[in-house]
Amino acid sequence: QVQLQESGPGLVKPSQTLSLTCTVSGGSISSGGYYWSWIRQHPGKGLEWIGYIYYSGSTYYNPSLKSRVTISVDTSKNQFSLKLSSVTAADTAVYYCARYDSSGDYFDYWGQGTLVTVSS
Amino acid sequence: QSVLTQPPSASGTPGQRVTISCSGSSSNIGSNTVNWYQQLPGTAPKLLIYSNNQRPSGVPDRFSGSKSGTSASLAISGLQSEDEADYYCAAWDDSLSYVFGTGTKVTVL
Repeated sequence: QVQLQESGPGLVKPSQTLSLTCTVSGGSISSGGYYWSWIRQHPGKGLEWIGYIYYSGSTYYNPSLKSRVTISVDTSKNQFSLKLSSVTAADTAVYYCARYDSSGDYFDYWGQGTLVTVSS
Repeated sequence: QSVLTQPPSASGTPGQRVTISCSGSSSNIGSNTVNWYQQLPGTAPKLLIYSNNQRPSGVPDRFSGSKSGTSASLAISGLQSEDEADYYCAAWDDSLSYVFGTGTKVTVL
């Protein structure tokens, strides 16, 4: 059973960079056919796809966030990471990491999510 | 900025059938498969339906999905109290983005 766990600061100051890591267990991040993803949910709102990365390092980002987002992968640690620069209060959200199955275009495993608040 | 539109709420009594609609366009639902996610209060979303109408292992058969043109639907038959949750449709959009629906809160009366 694949499990994902987000980690990182719960509080980030405006204009700084939000950094989160997702640790994958129960399966290899280098397994073909899967993309490793970040999704966020603003408080009381819907879901927003941020982007995803293949184990080879290929990345795909939401065009609306692309200028501020970097997703990277560390296969030796079975982890992938998110960096979101120049954050504002509008970036306050629960951030989820998830596995994307490219054969069916769906997210089949999710982390529990971590709340990141942007505030001074 | 969701591009898939859902009704904000739906409700029913135990045992009833509830249907949730999801309206998109030719660039998403019209040309790609639709998935549905269930989000119980305080938890992460869970894959409920994939590839328009397929249920992952462990999902009860009272949940069913369908797609026609640029719209999709999720039906819950034999509504149960544990079905009270938020439901989101989703699909890949040809603008190179994965898009979610606006979400529907299902209440069991």
